[in-house]
Amino acid sequence: DQQVKQNSPSLSVQEGRISILNCDYTNSMFDYFLWYKKYPAEGPTFLISISSIKDKNEDGRFTVFLNKSAKHLSLHIVPSQPGDSAVYFCAASDTGNQFYFGTGTSLTVIP
Amino acid sequence: DTEVTQTPKHLVMGMTNKKSLKCEQHMGHRAMYWYKQKAKKPPELMFVYSYEKLSINESVPSRFSPECPNSSLLNLHLHALQPEDSALYLCASSKTSGFQETQYFGPGTRLLVL
Repeated sequence: DQQVKQNSPSLSVQEGRISILNCDYTNSMFDYFLWYKKYPAEGPTFLISISSIKDKNEDGRFTVFLNKSAKHLSLHIVPSQPGDSAVYFCAASDTGNQFYFGTGTSLTVIP
Repeated sequence: DTEVTQTPKHLVMGMTNKKSLKCEQHMGHRAMYWYKQKAKKPPELMFVYSYEKLSINESVPSRFSPECPNSSLLNLHLHALQPEDSALYLCASSKTSGFQETQYFGPGTRLLVL
């Protein structure tokens, strides 16, 4: 049973525009959420995280929003750059720090 | 420095071979993880070591044998693998295995079993 879902397998965005990647989860015990970026044949690279006590966390061009009542989080990238093209995984953990990953969204930023 | 290193980068092995994957981190992290990732799928947790002791084994077949010789090293010993075990094997580490710790991933070892 997939506890973390990314319903959009792919997304294409024009360079300079905003990319919005979405993630839904089912387990209300999750209290820590992360986004990872992954290039082919490489390990996931940590991007940004958010604790359940916050609803927004920002780091440069990357902002993560958390809506606990909707069990939904999103990653905003603005402005999008061609180097952002990669697969983005969201992950969630409970107090045991076991991570549950979504299925990934492949982002293509078109120059 | 948030680097986790893995060797080898690529490995091709037969079903009767014995090989080992190695993972190393020098960040002082006390939790280390092995994940398996198939193409276009999320990483799947295999094992968790916390303070050099195996704390989680996600029902992984015995042909995969983890080892944590010290706090900086994590090995995965492979024996009698099947072609369906071909995947990207990822190592990760975090400060502890506790509350809200970010995991940092290595680049992975791409394994092909023939």
